Amino acid sequence: KQEVTQIPAALSVPEGENLVLNCSFTDSAIYNLQWFRQDPGKGLTSLLLIQSSQREQTSGRLNASLDKSSGRSTLYIAASQPGDSATYLCAVRPGGSYIPTFGRGTSLIVHP
Amino acid sequence: DADVTQTPRNRITKTGKRIMLECSQTKGHDRMYWYRQDPGLGLQLIYYSFDVKDINKGEISDGYSVSRQAQAKFSLSLESAIPNQTALYFCATSGGTGTGGPDTQYFGPGTRLTVL
Repeated sequence: KQEVTQIPAALSVPEGENLVLNCSFTDSAIYNLQWFRQDPGKGLTSLLLIQSSQREQTSGRLNASLDKSSGRSTLYIAASQPGDSATYLCAVRPGGSYIPTFGRGTSLIVHP
Repeated sequence: DADVTQTPRNRITKTGKRIMLECSQTKGHDRMYWYRQDPGLGLQLIYYSFDVKDINKGEISDGYSVSRQAQAKFSLSLESAIPNQTALYFCATSGGTGTGGPDTQYFGPGTRLTVL
């Protein structure tokens, strides 16, 4: 059974720092990996999706990488801003299934 | 307008009541999902449907039922609500080749349910 772990569970940083959020998974036979943002009490917003054949995806200040062999993905946030404060979740979809497994998320606070 | 909508957004009910949560989508996706989110536990899959005639149980289906009325509509029912079903409920869809990439999953805004 696929297990997805996100470390750290919580992170508090000053504005302007470059951040790395980690997502690890136990089964490397994945179809894709998706990063989401969730504001308190709100729904999940898709940030980036990486196919198993890809190494990274970029959107603005966000860059997500994927290393299947080591079972890891990282979400890099450049020049963090208070508006980046949210919980970030990763979800791994296994090959041959449409059911993703979610991590529990990293709660990020960026203070001015 | 939002692509995935959920009604109601908030609901307070009493133990033993029957509750229905509704989800509608305009993305034209075949696959729809119901999740439950509890603080510190992440997302748990309740039910999923890959087309109108396909309904599948997820990891925590006990006490819940669903109905796929049309491709665009997927409802979740709590037959007899109990306090430990107090949670945030999300509907999601996936399918096609949207701007986020093949099979990107899209979530509704959630329903906050409180069972007293």
